[in-house]
Amino acid sequence: DVKVTQSSRYLVKRTGEKVFLECVQDMDHENMFWYRQDPGLGLRLIYFSYDVKMKEKGDIPEGYSVSREKKERFSLILESASTNQTSMYLCASSLASYYGYTFGSGTRLTVV
Amino acid sequence: AQSVTQLDSQVPVFEEAPVELRCNYSSSVSVYLFWYVQYPNQGLQLLLKYLSGSTLVKGINGFEAEFNKSQTSFHLRKPSVHISDTAEYFCAVSMDDYKLSFGAGTTVTVRA
Repeated sequence: DVKVTQSSRYLVKRTGEKVFLECVQDMDHENMFWYRQDPGLGLRLIYFSYDVKMKEKGDIPEGYSVSREKKERFSLILESASTNQTSMYLCASSLASYYGYTFGSGTRLTVV
Repeated sequence: AQSVTQLDSQVPVFEEAPVELRCNYSSSVSVYLFWYVQYPNQGLQLLLKYLSGSTLVKGINGFEAEFNKSQTSFHLRKPSVHISDTAEYFCAVSMDDYKLSFGAGTTVTVRA
């Protein structure tokens, strides 16, 4: 069974900390995505990557960066965590949009 | 630009009753359309997708959706729901070869 694995289900971090969220897929997909999910707002795209070392900003990239050094791994970095970054973070991968995405189980991040 | 509107944020329904979740999209070009389901504390799972051909699409767990090009809609239906269908449902539209745009979600609560 194909999988997208997010390293943590729950994280609690302090304001100002640098936070790393890790995502690994075993499907050899070129495209990987980071979304945040907030009640009433649905899923909002933070960053995506269509190839190793390639990245594109999504709709809400401010305060975030990403890293894709290997095809299977896509990391989301919060340079200096703030309370307004408390959210559910979802990683996904795909071959192309018409195939749809495969999602990880999500990381619920709380910044205190 | 494309956007997705889910017309109902909350849908309460009794067990064994039918349910319809409404989705409209705005796009000037042909699109691919998707419905995803998210069970509590989990990632999103693909229910069904429309790429081309028959406008009635059947998915998993007894769900189906109908694509209506003239009304730019892609409504999701199930003739008889179960308690286990309690979840959040997201409509999505392909933005390009890479990305999907998601609606804000509809929470379905099934009561006995």
